[in-house]
Amino acid sequence: DQQVKQNSPSLSVQEGRISILNCDYTNSMFDYFLWYKKYPAEGPTFLISISSIKDKNEDGRFTVFLNKSAKHLSLHIVPSQPGDSAVYFCAASAHGSSNTGKLIFGQGTTLQVKP
Amino acid sequence: DTAVSQTPKYLVTQMGNDKSIKCEQNLGHDTMYWYKQDSKKFLKIMFSYNNKELIINETVPNRFSPKSPDKAHLNLHINSLELGDSAVYFCASSHRGNTEAFFGQGTRLTVV
Repeated sequence: DQQVKQNSPSLSVQEGRISILNCDYTNSMFDYFLWYKKYPAEGPTFLISISSIKDKNEDGRFTVFLNKSAKHLSLHIVPSQPGDSAVYFCAASAHGSSNTGKLIFGQGTTLQVKP
Repeated sequence: DTAVSQTPKYLVTQMGNDKSIKCEQNLGHDTMYWYKQDSKKFLKIMFSYNNKELIINETVPNRFSPKSPDKAHLNLHINSLELGDSAVYFCASSHRGNTEAFFGQGTRLTVV
């Protein structure tokens, strides 16, 4: 049972345009969401996060939007750059009183930004 | 300096062998994790240790045994390796209560 889903395996955009990566989740206990970026032969690196008490978090070119009622979040990258080409993983966590730091990951979306 | 380092980066071994993967972090974190990325690219947590204490143990065969000699190290020992153990294994660390984990570069294990 996959609790975090990224239904688009890949996305291709032109340099300078907006990239929108989507993520859906099923567990209503999730209250913290993260995006990780991964280059080939490297480990995932943290990109941006959002708490369930917010609906938007912005960091430079990266913005994450959270729609709790739809159990959906998205990552916007604008403007997209060729160096953004990587696999993007959505992850979720349920803090609660026994926060273990456990992350539930989606299966990733491969973003290609064309020059 | 590498924050979370794993050795080896690649490991090719025969079925039935026993192997270990080492992980060290120099971030001063108190919690360390092992994740497995299977052939379908899903990243799934296997174990988590906080200050050398096991706090997460997902449904993992008992052939897999994590060992944490101190809070900066979390090693993964695998007995009687099987073909299905082939995957990329990632070590990670964080402060407990902070889910923004830092990952190592991964160890690609191939069992032949």
